[in-house]
Amino acid sequence: AQKVTQAQTEISVVEKEDVTLDCVYETRDTTYYLFWYKQPPSGELVFLIRRNSFDEQNEISGRYSWNFQKSTSSFNFTITASQVVDSAVYFCAFKSYNTDKLIFGTGTRLQVFP
Amino acid sequence: DAGVTQSPTHLIKTRGQHVTLRCSPISGHKSVSWYQQVLGQGPQFIFQYYEKEERGRGNFPDRFSARQFPNYSSELNVNALLLGDSALYLCASSSTTGLGQPQHFGDGTRLSIL
Repeated sequence: AQKVTQAQTEISVVEKEDVTLDCVYETRDTTYYLFWYKQPPSGELVFLIRRNSFDEQNEISGRYSWNFQKSTSSFNFTITASQVVDSAVYFCAFKSYNTDKLIFGTGTRLQVFP
Repeated sequence: DAGVTQSPTHLIKTRGQHVTLRCSPISGHKSVSWYQQVLGQGPQFIFQYYEKEERGRGNFPDRFSARQFPNYSSELNVNALLLGDSALYLCASSSTTGLGQPQHFGDGTRLSIL
């Protein structure tokens, strides 16, 4: 069975610090997708990034970057120069090929203080 | 373009009652999924519908049911409400099914059972 683990329950940083959110997944599938979502206090889950299992190239998009390593089953997410508006709960999610069922981790609450 | 819309925003019910939650997907999206998010946890998959057919079901009792209409909107029904059904119910839509496209979420319906 698939599983997503976010060991960090809560992280607090001061504005402009870099912060990395950890995600570890378990699966026997060879084709799958990984996602990061942001959930502000309003409740809506906002899609941030996606990576498929065949592409381990790490990328940067604005202040966001991610590090996908199949060898360690990790999909970590970094926010550079954090801002107060980044304060939210961040969820890592896994999806097998040919299904729409997202399996979420328990989330990491990020608080960015001015 | 409008995002995923859910109604109502908040709902208060008592044990044993029935509830219907509604969701309108993003225009052009044919897949709708429902998730339950208990406070402090990640969302849990309930159902997925694509082209009006059930494509996936999570580990929820038969008190939970759903359907999708010809315009791709969807309803989630819960019978014989229990205190443990208190949660944020999220609807998500995507353009197709089974591939890596991200699901886009609505603001959710917060259901409280007294």
